[in-house]
Amino acid sequence: GDSVTQMEGPVTLSEEAFLTINCTYTATGYPSLFWYVQYPGEGLQLLLKATKADDKGSNKGFEATYRKETTSFHLEKGSVQVSDSAVYFCALSDQAGTALIFGKGTTLSVSS
Amino acid sequence: KAGVTQTPRYLIKTRGQQVTLSCSPISGHRSVSWYQQTPGQGLQFLFEYFSETQRNKGNFPGRFSGRQFSNSRSEMNVSTLELGDSALYLCASSYLGPTSYEQYFGPGTRLTVT
Repeated sequence: GDSVTQMEGPVTLSEEAFLTINCTYTATGYPSLFWYVQYPGEGLQLLLKATKADDKGSNKGFEATYRKETTSFHLEKGSVQVSDSAVYFCALSDQAGTALIFGKGTTLSVSS
Repeated sequence: KAGVTQTPRYLIKTRGQQVTLSCSPISGHRSVSWYQQTPGQGLQFLFEYFSETQRNKGNFPGRFSGRQFSNSRSEMNVSTLELGDSALYLCASSYLGPTSYEQYFGPGTRLTVT
């Protein structure tokens, strides 16, 4: 079945460092891809999305490009801040388009 | 605009009991989804409702059920609770569906089964 694999955490960075969180997927068809973020004690928030190959989603300095040839959707940010500390989830839409399949999540910790 | 609200926020139940969790979506949203979040399995899809109809169901036993009312509010029920049902249950709403429209998550209900 469809699945998402993302890098294990935790990822620990200093403020202003470059961030990459790897995400690869297995899917039939052409799913939409998402990154969600979960701050401590809160629900998930949509960070960015891409709906077709070569689309780039971006928000709050974060970017991810839908790479069909490598089945990847890696999350990047040029300069992280302490406030970016959270758990990041990569997800894809199922074939019916009515459910999201999530990766296990990657914990990011940024220190000043 | 009020966000997605879930009640109660915390619950402690005993094995064998049943529990009902409630979710109020954002006004105007007709799609409501439920997810179970655990440290071991991560986020797993339970079911999605749209206009009172279940459109999709995840791979969970029949002890897990849900429904949606005409005002789009949703409830999920877990019968004959097991220790493994301890989890954070997240509800999410979207205008017409979770992939074409942004999905907004509530803060979750933390269920502990003892």
